[in-house]
Amino acid sequence: GENVEQHPSTLSVQEGDSAVIKCTYSDSASNYFPWYKQELGKRPQLIIDIRSNVGEKKDQRIAVTLNKTAKHFSLHITETQPEDSAVYFCAAPTGDKIIFGKGTRLHILP
Amino acid sequence: DGGITQSPKYLFRKEGQNVTLSCEQNLNHDAMYWYRQDPGQGLRLIYYSQIVNDFQKGDIAEGYSVSREKKESFPLTVTSAQKNPTAFYLCASSMVGGLIAGELFFGEGSRLTVL
Repeated sequence: GENVEQHPSTLSVQEGDSAVIKCTYSDSASNYFPWYKQELGKRPQLIIDIRSNVGEKKDQRIAVTLNKTAKHFSLHITETQPEDSAVYFCAAPTGDKIIFGKGTRLHILP
Repeated sequence: DGGITQSPKYLFRKEGQNVTLSCEQNLNHDAMYWYRQDPGQGLRLIYYSQIVNDFQKGDIAEGYSVSREKKESFPLTVTSAQKNPTAFYLCASSMVGGLIAGELFFGEGSRLTVL
């Protein structure tokens, strides 16, 4: 079946450095690519999303890039801060379902 | 105060018992979803519904059942047929579903423990 693969599963970066998380999807008809952040004990919340008619979208320190030919999209966080520590999930629609990656646990080191 | 509400937050169940998790939204969203979250497994789709009185199985529907009698409500029943029901369950809604889906709004989750 269709799936979404996310890498890495765990990522540790020094505070102030950048973090990049990558996802690949299999359904070529997918046209919407969100990223969710889940802090410990809380619900996932949307932090940024992109539709297939653009290649990049930026919102302050976070950005998402999309390569439809290669069927992958990435989350970029610059100037990381302690509050960026969380689990991040990518997702993509396939048919009438929304499928999530397995998540990346991001640790920001002091 | 608009949003999506799940209850109960914590639930304990004995083996062999069915249990129903409540999910209510007042966002006037058409689509609703149930996901199961286990450590290292991400969010796996159990059931989803695009419209009242209609729902479809997700990737791990075995041992679960749902109903969608009202637009705002999408309860999930974990039956005794579910072999490993201990997990964190998240309900979500979106304005529309499928390939024109937008942001998912999640409830705070229900943590089910089978004793």
